[in-house]
Amino acid sequence: QQQVKQSPQSLIVQKGGISIINCAYENTAFDYFPWYQQFPGKGPALLIAIRPDVSEKKEGRFTISFNKSAKQFSLHIMDSQPGDSATYFCAASKESNTGKLIFGQGTTLQVKP
Amino acid sequence: DGGITQSPKYLFRKEGQNVTLSCEQNLNHDAMYWYRQDPGQGLRLIYYSQIVNDFQKGDIAEGYSVSREKKESFPLTVTSAQKNPTAFYLCASTVTGLNTEAFFGQGTRLTVV
Repeated sequence: QQQVKQSPQSLIVQKGGISIINCAYENTAFDYFPWYQQFPGKGPALLIAIRPDVSEKKEGRFTISFNKSAKQFSLHIMDSQPGDSATYFCAASKESNTGKLIFGQGTTLQVKP
Repeated sequence: DGGITQSPKYLFRKEGQNVTLSCEQNLNHDAMYWYRQDPGQGLRLIYYSQIVNDFQKGDIAEGYSVSREKKESFPLTVTSAQKNPTAFYLCASTVTGLNTEAFFGQGTRLTVV
C-alpha cells in the first residue's frame, strides 16, 4: 500500500527530444507528489511537485501530468538537453508531512548530444 | 548561505563498530529526516523528527539510532546491529506546514571494510 512504482529504470533520449517517466502509487491518502533530480554523488533537489486537485503543472520545460482515478503521474521533459542527464525520482507523501516521502526506484536519464 | 551540511562526505567503518553521521541545518526548519539510498533503489526513510527531543521510526529503523537535542542538528548513529550498512545516507529538512519542500544535504557515503 505504501509503494510507488516508477518506470522505466533507464532512458536514453536524443537532444531536443521528449523524456517521459511514469509513476504509479497505491495509497489514496497521498496528496503531495514531487519529482526530484539527482546528479551523481549529490543529494536530490526538488524539480516540481503537484497536488491531486490539478491534472497538470508546468514549470519551464518540465511538466507533471496527474491522473487521480488511475493513481498515476508522469514527468515530461520537453526539449531535453545533455545537462538534464541525471537520475529522476518520483515520490509521494501526505501534504501534512512532505518530508516523509515514499520514493520510486529512480530513472537514469541520458540525453545524447 | 542557508542549507544542510552533512559530514563527513566519505566514511569507512570496520565491521562491529558504531559510527555517527552528522547533519546540521541553518534553515530554521522544524523537521529533519534521514534517508538511505542503495544502488538501483529509491530513498528509504530511516528516522524523522518534527520537534526537538522527539523522533519517530521510519520504514527501516532497525540498526540505527538518532537524537534531536538541538533544532539545527540531527545526528544518525549506524550501530553494529545494522547488517548491511554500506550505503549513501541523506539528511533532509522541511518547515512544518502544508505543501513545503524537503531540502536534502549532499550525503555521506558509508563503506564497511
